[in-house]
Amino acid sequence: EIVLTQSPGTLSLSPGERATLSCRASQSVSSSYLAWYQQKPGQAPSLLIYGASSRATGIPDRFSGSGSGTDFTLTISRLEPEDFAVYFCQQYGSSPLTFGGGTKVEIK
Amino acid sequence: QVQLQESGPGLVKPSQTLSLTCTVSGGSISSGTYYWTWIRQPAGKGLEWIGRIYANGNTLYNPSLKSRVIISVDTSNNQFSLKLSSVTAADTAVYYCAREGLMGTNWFAPWGQGLLVTVSS
Repeated sequence: EIVLTQSPGTLSLSPGERATLSCRASQSVSSSYLAWYQQKPGQAPSLLIYGASSRATGIPDRFSGSGSGTDFTLTISRLEPEDFAVYFCQQYGSSPLTFGGGTKVEIK
Repeated sequence: QVQLQESGPGLVKPSQTLSLTCTVSGGSISSGTYYWTWIRQPAGKGLEWIGRIYANGNTLYNPSLKSRVIISVDTSNNQFSLKLSSVTAADTAVYYCAREGLMGTNWFAPWGQGLLVTVSS
């Protein structure tokens, strides 16, 4: 099983600032089969990024994903008020499909 | 657009079987173009993939739960279901159903709104 470790656990930033979230895998994720999700309180997660760097439909371009192998990054270039949420990474390169523990982006 | 909705009891007694159903609208399970998946999230914690089913009934389960899980599909009613046996308090979580892409596209979108299931006597 591939274990995904997300850091930091919590990121305290102000609107307009840049957020950089890390997702590290215990072994290489084949073909960059990595996705990112955003979850707001009381809601289901929603897909942001797939294939490590492709934005899902309707996702603004302030969200970008990068990385390969074992190290992946989600960057939010300028935080909007609606971006304060929890973010999860997920690998789909091998079974079982697994998620990271999440990074909470909170208002400073 | 495809929508998913979980249904079932919100309270299950320890040692009993948790049974949930996901109803899909706006798309057909029998089209065979996606997997249909269950995921859970204990309060304040991360996400755990439980398993998935294809339109023909083929399943794949998380080894951590495999001995207790059955996922089934009812294409005539466009639903799929989860049964988790011998539950304990550790199975208390929000349970989500979601659509999962096929090989190489196995991300989850969309998701149902989630259903909180509490295991307690």
